[in-house]
Amino acid sequence: AQSVTQLGSHVSVSEGALVLLRCNYSSSVPPYLFWYVQYPNQGLQLLLKYTSAATLVKGINGFEAEFKKSETSFHLTKPSAHMSDAAEYFCAVSDGLTGGGNKLTFGTGTQLKVEL
Amino acid sequence: DTEVTQTPKHLVMGMTNKKSLKCEQHMGHRAMYWYKQKAKKPPELMFVYSYEKLSINESVPSRFSPECPNSSLLNLHLHALQPEDSALYLCASSQGDGYTFGSGTRLTVV
Repeated sequence: AQSVTQLGSHVSVSEGALVLLRCNYSSSVPPYLFWYVQYPNQGLQLLLKYTSAATLVKGINGFEAEFKKSETSFHLTKPSAHMSDAAEYFCAVSDGLTGGGNKLTFGTGTQLKVEL
Repeated sequence: DTEVTQTPKHLVMGMTNKKSLKCEQHMGHRAMYWYKQKAKKPPELMFVYSYEKLSINESVPSRFSPECPNSSLLNLHLHALQPEDSALYLCASSQGDGYTFGSGTRLTVV
């Protein structure tokens, strides 16, 4: 079964500093990997996805992630944090192409705090 | 239309009530999902419908009953819930290589 592990349930950065949120995956087949953001009392918004095309994936709001097969990692980064980035971030893995109704499994989440 | 719409946004129900959650999408997605999310936890998969047929049931108690009347609609019927069922219920749809989530229904069982 596919799974993802997010290291660090809470990450705190200063405004303007680099954001790095860690995600490692476990998969017996090439995975489909996603990063979602969730603001309080809201649903999930897709930041970016990896589906076996380019290993460096650019997403919305200045976020990007790099798929590293040798390290089984898919870490999320943003060069300069903004106050509006404060939210819960989830890494997720799908066990196949999503059109057929495959299971999307989430990591435990990382709460990002941005300080002045 | 690139949204998944969930109604109601908030619901308070007693343990003897029957209520339904509704989810609608008009993106032509053929897979639809129900997830349950407790506070400070990740979403947990409950049900998956693929081409209007139930394809995955993650051992969900029978007091939760899903229904997919057509390719655009997904319902979750609730009956005899327990206080521990209070959570955010998220609907999602997918096609190709992406999932789209609704904003959820915040359910409180009293």
